[in-house]
Amino acid sequence: DGGITQSPKYLFRKEGQNVTLSCEQNLNHDAMYWYRQDPGQGLRLIYYSQIVNDFQKGDIAEGYSVSREKKESFPLTVTSAQKNPTAFYLCASRSGRAGDTQYFGPGTRLTVL
Amino acid sequence: GDSVTQMEGPVTLSEEAFLTINCTYTATGYPSLFWYVQYPGEGLQLLLKATKADDKGSNKGFEATYRKETTSFHLEKGSVQVSDSAVYFCALPKETSGSRLTFGEGTQLTVNP
Repeated sequence: DGGITQSPKYLFRKEGQNVTLSCEQNLNHDAMYWYRQDPGQGLRLIYYSQIVNDFQKGDIAEGYSVSREKKESFPLTVTSAQKNPTAFYLCASRSGRAGDTQYFGPGTRLTVL
Repeated sequence: GDSVTQMEGPVTLSEEAFLTINCTYTATGYPSLFWYVQYPGEGLQLLLKATKADDKGSNKGFEATYRKETTSFHLEKGSVQVSDSAVYFCALPKETSGSRLTFGEGTQLTVNP
């Protein structure tokens, strides 16, 4: 089955701790994205990567970091510098051709205790 | 900059009612347009898309037509079901920024039996 997997589905973190969210895709897509969703709101872009070993900041990158060492993997680290990290995090990927669809993973719900 | 405006929600309908969710956009050029659906606790699923003006996207009884003259991409369904209850997002990609998606705020649809 081709698709995007995110793990874990639920994640709890104590204040002051860094935590890494996993995103893996086996669709052979070039581009990958991380979005944040807060209750009752739309999605906001955190980081994106169009190719291995390269990534760009989105609209709300402060307090987050990413890496893209492999085509299929794009982990997101939520650092202690992120002031309000409790949210639903969604990973997405697309093939890289203009107009192509972005496909989303099932999401990770992060709660800071 | 690019933006998407969706009708204010939430929307509550009875089963078999007609649905319209308005979406208007501002963009440079003529990007593809997307409708995504999100069920509770899940990621986003592509509902339909249109890649050029006057295209009609359709899926599962939902339709939307890319109207260049009114910069709109309204979502319609002739007869909604309880299972259509979800949040619906209109989105457009910004091709100069890795095709990152700009989303509307989302419209919560509740269908009562």
